[in-house]
Amino acid sequence: EDQVTQSPEALRLQEGESSSLNCSYTVSGLRGLFWYRQDPGKGPEFLFTLYSAGEEKEKERLKATLTKKESFLHITAPKPEDSATYLCAVLTIGGSQGNLIFGKGTKLSVKP
Amino acid sequence: DSGVTQTPKHLITATGQRVTLRCSPRSGDLSVYWYQQSLDQGLQFLIQYYNGEERAKGNILERFSAQQFPDLHSELNLSSLELGDSALYFCASSVGGSGDGYTFGSGTRLTVV
Repeated sequence: EDQVTQSPEALRLQEGESSSLNCSYTVSGLRGLFWYRQDPGKGPEFLFTLYSAGEEKEKERLKATLTKKESFLHITAPKPEDSATYLCAVLTIGGSQGNLIFGKGTKLSVKP
Repeated sequence: DSGVTQTPKHLITATGQRVTLRCSPRSGDLSVYWYQQSLDQGLQFLIQYYNGEERAKGNILERFSAQQFPDLHSELNLSSLELGDSALYFCASSVGGSGDGYTFGSGTRLTVV
């Protein structure tokens, strides 16, 4: 069964304290891996899509990387406005459907 | 604004009732996806429509149904509501049917009392 696991469940950082969030996946075939940011009561906001092992993408203080078994979201010198839940999701090969399989997310809190 | 519009934003209803949630996809997108997000389960895929046709089904209860209309907007119907149906319901859309370029709406918060 296709599965996505995120760790840690929650992470508290001081402003400026860099860290990484982990997303490990077990799928029959990976078409793409997605990272989203979600603020309380809001819809997920797209951050990155990664398609193949070794791929990296960056946006401001965020950098996403992908291996054959997991993805990392690195946060460099975070600010309080980076506080949110970060969701990882996979799109699998096979069939004609396009539904994403989500992990349960990592809730990030950045204190000033 | 993501371009995906969901109405209403909030809905409070009693057990046993029926409600309809509406989603207008981003302009040009042919696929609509419905997801349920509860506190303990995370985002769970319910159903996908592509250009009016059902494309994929997830863990959608028999009490729930959906459709996509010729103008591409979609409705999710929830009936015989139970307390456990209280959740955030999100709609997403994409250009094609295979999931690339997903964009989510801001959701409908359903509270069943």
